[in-house]
This record gives sequence, C-alpha cells and structure tokens, in this order.
Amino acid sequence: DTAVSQTPKYLVTQMGNDKSIKCEQNLGHDTMYWYKQDSKKFLKIMFSYNNKELIINETVPNRFSPKSPDKAHLNLHINSLELGDSAVYFCASSHRDRGSGGANVLTFGAGSRLTVL
Amino acid sequence: GENVEQHPSTLSVQEGDSAVIKCTYSDSASNYFPWYKQELGKRPQLIIDIRSNVGEKKDQRIAVTLNKTAKHFSLHITETQPEDSAVYFCAASKNDMRFGAGTRLTVKP
Repeated sequence: DTAVSQTPKYLVTQMGNDKSIKCEQNLGHDTMYWYKQDSKKFLKIMFSYNNKELIINETVPNRFSPKSPDKAHLNLHINSLELGDSAVYFCASSHRDRGSGGANVLTFGAGSRLTVL
Repeated sequence: GENVEQHPSTLSVQEGDSAVIKCTYSDSASNYFPWYKQELGKRPQLIIDIRSNVGEKKDQRIAVTLNKTAKHFSLHITETQPEDSAVYFCAASKNDMRFGAGTRLTVKP
C-alpha cells in the first residue's frame, strides 16, 4: 500500500495551459503539504492544510490553487503555466501533535515532475 | 518565519571516513529537527530526527546533535559507504517544516 500517492508522476505541457496534480494519503494524517523542488534541489513549502483548513500559504503566485476535499486529499491546480513552474512537486502528510506543539514526521509522495515547454 | 541554513552544499569523502553536515535555524520556538535523505530521482525519506528536549541521538552509523542555545544541529555519518551518497536535507519545525538547501554527499569507493 502506498502511503502518500500523487498523480501524475510526469506531466509535460505547453505554456499557458492549466493542469492539476492530485495527492492522496492513507495514513490517517490530519495535515497535508505541497512542496516545490526546483532544479537546484531546494525544497520550498507552498501550502499546508490541517483538517481541510489552509494553514500555510507561502508567497506563491495565485495561479496556484490548492483544494482539499477531505483530510486524505490535497490537490494542486495550476493556471496559465509558465516556464518557471517546471519543477518536481512533492505532496507530503503528517500528524500534527498539538500535545507536543506542532509538526511531526513528514511522509512524502513520490513526486510529480512538471515540465513546461 | 523560520530560516534554515545548511552547510556544506557539497561534500565528498572516501569510503570509511566520517561526514558531518551542519545546520542553523532562526526561530527559537522550533522544537523538531529531522534529517531527510534523497537519492537521485526518489522522494526524501526520514533517516533520523531529534526533538528539542534531547541533545543527541544515535542510530547505528548516524547521529544527530542539537545545541538549542546556539540554534544549530548537525548530522554525523560514520564509516561512510557508497550507498550513503545522496542529497541530505535538514529541517526545523514548530508548526510547519522548513528545509535547508541540501548537501550533496558523495562517498568515493
């Protein structure tokens, strides 16, 4: 069983198109994330949802819109794709332990490599 | 917000030698410090973590130390093997996980 699964694994598209990446976790975690990893391997947080509620929204263009229909799913929709959007997008999940004051182990999906031509 | 700096960006060692990667963080409220290993084309995977109430933790050839006063933590890998070659990320977290820029470790046989 894949704990955090994201689709598609590879996505090649033209500039200006709109695309979505889907993520699902079966770990029972209450918090899900999107990270962007660029060509220099830097892992940058984009969004975080806790129990379907947006709790982190980093400075990303508003062309990126996350949607969490339930605790187990966090999808990423990108409008008007640009060349600079090319990257690997990682979904992750964790259980937020309020007792110990915050975040716990992140489990990552396999990544979705987006190439914008 | 939290800012995590990681050094060095690349590290090359001979098989059997030790490797040390260092990170500093800015938010004194951070209380959880994991290290992730990412092999080429794969997802980051947790290798060891430490919480702020502990100064050191060891798991076989891997150890992590934390100095809360100085706000820095380090990863130590002893008796390195070629399969240790990967990109290693440190992270610091209170409510969300912020990663360092990564260290590309190469272990030469």
